[in-house]
Amino acid sequence: LAKTTQPISMDSYEGQEVNITCSHNNIATNDYITWYQQFPSQGPRFIIQGYKTKVTNEVASLFIPADRKSSTLSLPRVSLSDTAVYYCLVAPLSNDYKLSFGAGTTVTVRA
Amino acid sequence: DAGVTQSPTHLIKTRGQQVTLRCSPKSGHDTVSWYQQALGQGPQFIFQYYEEEERQRGNFPDRFSGHQFPNYSSELNVNALLLGDSALYLCASSEGQGRDYGYTFGSGTRLTVV
Repeated sequence: LAKTTQPISMDSYEGQEVNITCSHNNIATNDYITWYQQFPSQGPRFIIQGYKTKVTNEVASLFIPADRKSSTLSLPRVSLSDTAVYYCLVAPLSNDYKLSFGAGTTVTVRA
Repeated sequence: DAGVTQSPTHLIKTRGQQVTLRCSPKSGHDTVSWYQQALGQGPQFIFQYYEEEERQRGNFPDRFSGHQFPNYSSELNVNALLLGDSALYLCASSEGQGRDYGYTFGSGTRLTVV
């Protein structure tokens, strides 16, 4: 099980770009990197997933260096509604895997 | 297209009682996983059901049990409730072969044990 390390909290202001870096030094060859977002009293919501280099969707970008020992989730031009907990997970895509979350990064966006 | 539906949304039980939580997966999903999320912590894996059988299990005691029905819906049962079982219980669904697009989570059931 690849352990991940991410900052406990980050503060930002509306309109800024937020970058959250996750360390996963023991990532395995068949592991993918997945990020989830969770608002209070709601379940986590899938944001983005990748294996290497860069992945971009309408919500975020995920940057993964060649050694894959870390990854950075980039949220462009955040708004107050982006205030949430963000989780980084590393695991195979296979469903027969015990996927558990760490404490995540609490991102607070201020006006 | 309905996502994952969980019921009830909130529940208060007394120590020693038993509780049953229910989950309907997203349309097209056949795998259901259950998670427990204590306040201020990330979700912790309880178990996963696929083809009506428990496929994987986390570090939870036998007081936690589950079931999956032929229509892929699932139940989580907790016996002999303890105060420490108070948490948000989340259900997540995915397709059997993998999670190319991640898990889809429900909004959870808030269980309070008094």
